[in-house]
Amino acid sequence: GALVYQYPRRTICKSGTSMRMECQAVGFQATSVAWYRQSPQKTFELIALSTVNSAIKYEQNFTQEKFPISHPNLSFSSMTVLNAYLEDRGLYLCGASRDRGQAPLFGEGTRLSVL
Amino acid sequence: GEQVEQLPSILRVQEGSSASINCTYENSASNYFPWYKQEPGENPKLIIDIRSNMERKQTQGLIVLLDKKAKRFSLHITDTQPGDSAMYFCAASAAGTQVVGQLTFGRGTRLQVYA
Repeated sequence: GALVYQYPRRTICKSGTSMRMECQAVGFQATSVAWYRQSPQKTFELIALSTVNSAIKYEQNFTQEKFPISHPNLSFSSMTVLNAYLEDRGLYLCGASRDRGQAPLFGEGTRLSVL
Repeated sequence: GEQVEQLPSILRVQEGSSASINCTYENSASNYFPWYKQEPGENPKLIIDIRSNMERKQTQGLIVLLDKKAKRFSLHITDTQPGDSAMYFCAASAAGTQVVGQLTFGRGTRLQVYA
């Protein structure tokens, strides 16, 4: 079956340091990968969307300088949270879609805590 | 961009009764509306979705309705069970995009089913 793995599941980093998280699509090729953040007591915010043959598109309030994303092939994506601070805490979800007409399949998420 | 409003934020229903969650969206170009269920500590899972060429869809005790004129869509859970207790999120595809992976989420509804 189709699955999306995210690693690590949980991580703690010191304020001002950086943290990299990975997303792996298994059993299908991800035409697009979207990264979302669910902050405490909030809904999901789209950080950026990476689509094959297109530039990575960041949403307002999120920048490449803060959340650089790598999408080297159709099964893997990674995102780094640079200079993490308290407001970056939350659950980071990777949603991978097989094609343009399909809802994203989410991974288990990476829960980031910042001390 | 798109804005999605979701109500109620908390919903308590007795086991066996039905539960309804309502969402509204702003952009008439949105054409895809998935619903996700998120249990504590887990990633959101797609439970049902509807596209703009339909007004009603039903599967395994779930009904979704779409009123494009009113820009409103809703989820109805019939014969609720304790296992239905979770957070539910509605979402809409971002206006003007063909890539479903780019979703705008509602703020979520915490459904509590009591005996």
